Amino acid sequence: GQQVMQIPQYQHVQEGEDFTTYCNSSTTLSNIQWYKQRPGGHPVFLIQLVKSGEVKKQKRLTFQFGEAKKNSSLHITATQTTDVGTYFCAEDTGTASKLTFGTGTRLQVTL
Amino acid sequence: NAGVTQTPKFQVLKTGQSMTLQCAQDMNHNSMYWYRQDPGMGLRLIYYSASEGTTDKGEVPNGYNVSRLNKREFSLRLESAAPSQTSVYFCASSVQRGVYEQYFGPGTRLTVT
Repeated sequence: GQQVMQIPQYQHVQEGEDFTTYCNSSTTLSNIQWYKQRPGGHPVFLIQLVKSGEVKKQKRLTFQFGEAKKNSSLHITATQTTDVGTYFCAEDTGTASKLTFGTGTRLQVTL
Repeated sequence: NAGVTQTPKFQVLKTGQSMTLQCAQDMNHNSMYWYRQDPGMGLRLIYYSASEGTTDKGEVPNGYNVSRLNKREFSLRLESAAPSQTSVYFCASSVQRGVYEQYFGPGTRLTVT
């Protein structure tokens, strides 16, 4: 099955640096969700984006939905070690709240 | 509220053995899901249940069966385990309208030798 592509697959940053992960789809999305999974843990919902061009902020995290609703990004300002984990985007398939998850971006933050 | 619970947390099977992974949620959600997670592959949907009494195949259903026992419980069965089924299995649940975020259980780490 087709998965939503995320880039990069992995990023290693120094604490305090910024980080961005991108999610790209070949089709127009009705909405997109973002999840975070800590090492050894389970995915935890962060946010849902619905409108074209929508931008939402959660403290140091900024989420954006593309104007054409075919891509999305998550930007973290001034990373901290608590940001370590894998970030997944997930697109709504339009059926029974079913989601198709992206391949994920693993973030490593060192002091 | 416990949220989504899964049992067991870890399991080792020999090829050909069978087992059932249990999942329960106490949030009165209609929809429930089973995923597998392999390194570099993200989360892939095995089966889902949009509501009590219904189940449907996801992206990777071969080798698995499911049962939606009631609104709370959704089990995943491996009839004849294969090494390719070595993975981490997550159960999730969600509402069906509004912001239907999925709530995940802690996962079951399964190894098939």
